Amino acid sequence: AQSVAQPEDQVNVAEGNPLTVKCTYSVSGNPYLFWYVQYPNRGLQFLLKYITGDNLVKGSYGFEAEFNKSQTSFHLKKPSALVSDSALYFCAVRDRGGATNKLIFGTGTLLAVQP
Amino acid sequence: DTGVSQDPRHKITKRGQNVTFRCDPISEHNRLYWYRQTLGQGPEFLTYFQNEAQLEKSRLLSDRFSAERPKGSFSTLEIQRTEQGDSAMYLCASSFPGEVADGYTFGSGTRLTVV
Repeated sequence: AQSVAQPEDQVNVAEGNPLTVKCTYSVSGNPYLFWYVQYPNRGLQFLLKYITGDNLVKGSYGFEAEFNKSQTSFHLKKPSALVSDSALYFCAVRDRGGATNKLIFGTGTLLAVQP
Repeated sequence: DTGVSQDPRHKITKRGQNVTFRCDPISEHNRLYWYRQTLGQGPEFLTYFQNEAQLEKSRLLSDRFSAERPKGSFSTLEIQRTEQGDSAMYLCASSFPGEVADGYTFGSGTRLTVV
């Protein structure tokens, strides 16, 4: 079964510092990986995805993610955090077991950026 | 068409009552998904429609839950005889067809509170 794990419930970082939100995956075959962000009382917003190709994926709002096949990781990164980046971040993997393209989400990591 | 719309945004109901939620996807998206998100958890897949056909249902979707997508446009999710455990955010998402899963577009969700 496909799954993703987000080992940190919360990440705290000072504004202007680099941030990393961790995600590891367990899939059979090549993974399709995604990051989403959720602001309070809102739906999820797509940040970026890895399908194939370059291991460094660039996405919205200055975020990027590095796909590492040997470590089965897909960590989300940003060189300089903003207070407005404070939100709940979800890693997801596409389920390869059927034709639905449904996504399987991790439990989320709350990012808190202190001014 | 500015995105995925969900109605209502909030619903408070007494245990045992029936509730119905509506989702209007982006018009050119033929794939529609329902997810449920409880506090501290990532979204969990409930069901999937391709056009008007319901092609997959999660085991989370008990007999009290039913979803429809008449004419392949909007969708409704009905919960009969609500229980306190049904309290959650119900998210709808839609996407383009295709081999590769693009990022979904999520609605803002319907927050259900069963008292």
